[in-house]
Amino acid sequence: GAVVSQHPSRVICKSGTSVKIECRSLDFQATTMFWYRQFPKQSLMLMATSNEGSKATYEQGVEKDKFLINHASLTLSTLTVTSAHPEDSSFYICSGTESTDTQYFGPGTRLTVL
Amino acid sequence: RKEVEQDPGPFNVPEGATVAFNCTYSNSASQSFFWYRQDCRKEPKLLMSVYSSGNEDGRFTAQLNRASQYISLLIRDSKLSDSATYLCVVNRGGTSYGKLTFGQGTILTVHP
Repeated sequence: GAVVSQHPSRVICKSGTSVKIECRSLDFQATTMFWYRQFPKQSLMLMATSNEGSKATYEQGVEKDKFLINHASLTLSTLTVTSAHPEDSSFYICSGTESTDTQYFGPGTRLTVL
Repeated sequence: RKEVEQDPGPFNVPEGATVAFNCTYSNSASQSFFWYRQDCRKEPKLLMSVYSSGNEDGRFTAQLNRASQYISLLIRDSKLSDSATYLCVVNRGGTSYGKLTFGQGTILTVHP
């Protein structure tokens, strides 16, 4: 299967700082990338969908000004958590797809905000 | 009602046992269905897609009943390595095609 990488795999930051997470498709062109988060003992929740070269669309309840998504190329999308707070601590996972049916997931980024 | 609802579990079975997971979904426009497995603190990995005619992959059998909006996964001859959380996943369909909705997951532990 296709490979998606995420960086960093783990980040600890102070409250109020911003954190950028990168998602890269290594061997395919991801026309669409999705960002999910997973809180402990809960399932993945879709946060936003981004198509290369256009603005991301956010799910209901997800603040677009807080979670900035950029999908500038077919192999890279970034998620920036601005002014992070402890309640933003979560497991953030991206996925990429060439078509709309099969998504390839990155290994996730574990964010801890102190 | 949750969009995708799974057996609460957890399931704790001995090696060699057969175990079945059930899942229902609420969006009748959904067109694609999957089972993923997720190991602790890892990303979900696709186990198998689920087709209307039912499909089998080795020890795993998936069934779909569109009329009842019901999906199942059967694991035969359980192995220790099958221990994981199993996620029922539905492609939303319609104008949201491509967006996946995950069930809350069912934890399976296979013991010696």
